[in-house]
Amino acid sequence: DTGVSQDPRHKITKRGQNVTFRCDPISEHNRLYWYRQTLGQGPEFLTYFQNEAQLEKSRLLSDRFSAERPKGSFSTLEIQRTEQGDSAMYLCASSLKSDEKLFFGSGTQLSVL
Amino acid sequence: DQQVKQNSPSLSVQEGRISILNCDYTNSMFDYFLWYKKYPAEGPTFLISISSIKDKNEDGRFTVFLNKSAKHLSLHIVPSQPGDSAVYFCAASAPAMDSSYKLIFGSGTRLLVRP
Repeated sequence: DTGVSQDPRHKITKRGQNVTFRCDPISEHNRLYWYRQTLGQGPEFLTYFQNEAQLEKSRLLSDRFSAERPKGSFSTLEIQRTEQGDSAMYLCASSLKSDEKLFFGSGTQLSVL
Repeated sequence: DQQVKQNSPSLSVQEGRISILNCDYTNSMFDYFLWYKKYPAEGPTFLISISSIKDKNEDGRFTVFLNKSAKHLSLHIVPSQPGDSAVYFCAASAPAMDSSYKLIFGSGTRLLVRP
């Protein structure tokens, strides 16, 4: 499978706990994006990496959120002290530098109880 | 402030007929538009795109039309098939200094194609 891979597919956690999601992009893609999608809405941009550099962060990304892409390959998104409002589908996407088309993974569905 | 709007949350059409999904945008800087299709429990899948220098792009049963003066685009599916039943998202991007191609999505239209 050469698509974008996300792990886990589902995560249930209690309010106040920390969670971490992983994304493995398509191997030759140097751009990696994180989006969040809530019910009835389209995906909302969170942050973007070009190789290992995090070049843009949305205002949606509070201080409790941190993303890394240490070697320019896989990325992690961590949410600290989760809140019920963090419940959403977290989508990862990747692309080539010259391509405006993003390829999405299947997402991680987070439920905060 | 929604820059990309899909005002129809749902659409139901008969198999074999045409499906027309609409999208409006407000940001005149957008120069590239895409349609994505999403099945439940899966990520969005790219369907078709159009650059602002064109007014039509066709790929098999799917055609996207762009009306820049009206800031409106539409996706036509002909003929519609039951397997087309999904949520369709319109997305747009504007030129960025770092060529980040950050996509702004609409809220989606759920298409149901009835057999």
